[in-house]
Amino acid sequence: QVQLKETGPGLVQPTQTLSITCTVSGFSLTSYYMQWVRQTPGKGLEWMGFIRSGGSTEYNSEFKSRLSISRDTSKNQVFLKMNSLKTEDTGVYYCAREGYYDGYYYVMDAWGQGASVTVSS
Amino acid sequence: DTVLTQSPALAVSPGERVTISCRASESVSTGMHWYQQKPGQQPKLLIYGASNLESGVPARFSGSGSGTDFTLTIDPVEADDTATYFCQQSWNDPTFGGGTKLELK
Repeated sequence: QVQLKETGPGLVQPTQTLSITCTVSGFSLTSYYMQWVRQTPGKGLEWMGFIRSGGSTEYNSEFKSRLSISRDTSKNQVFLKMNSLKTEDTGVYYCAREGYYDGYYYVMDAWGQGASVTVSS
Repeated sequence: DTVLTQSPALAVSPGERVTISCRASESVSTGMHWYQQKPGQQPKLLIYGASNLESGVPARFSGSGSGTDFTLTIDPVEADDTATYFCQQSWNDPTFGGGTKLELK
């Protein structure tokens, strides 16, 4: 069955870099777009960016200058890296698979359990 | 960005019908989807394309709307439906509503 699991550091110091890995099973990264979404106390659910099945990326302009999404298809892993962390970046970071429905809709149809991140010194 | 506005909270009794609304700041056609999130869990897809039930989701859930106004209906509500419900549009860069917390009386 389809499974996604995020692993991350838990605690990150301000100004440092956040790295989270999303490991997937039950489907191929070369067949689906993969999204990153975060949930923070201040802004709720926010789309961060995605990597296409072909490997190209798109980012939310709010994060574009400090966010990088990449993948290793041989390991079924997608990576999020975000630098210059601030306390407001504290929250839960989710990876989600984007399915293509009815030949028309792109929908986040499967989500990982989330990686909780606290930015604090 | 397309801003999605939801009412913050609702309280209903089991067996009743509840409608949860989502208003978009600009037209998103039918590119609206609904998710359920229980405490400590990830969002779960319920409805896609404004009115299409995701596989495995009970038929008690339904969605409607197009353009800027959308609703999620649960009829009848069960105790297990206690959760926060989010709308999300995919017509433009994805954005989410602030969520509606559904509580049962």
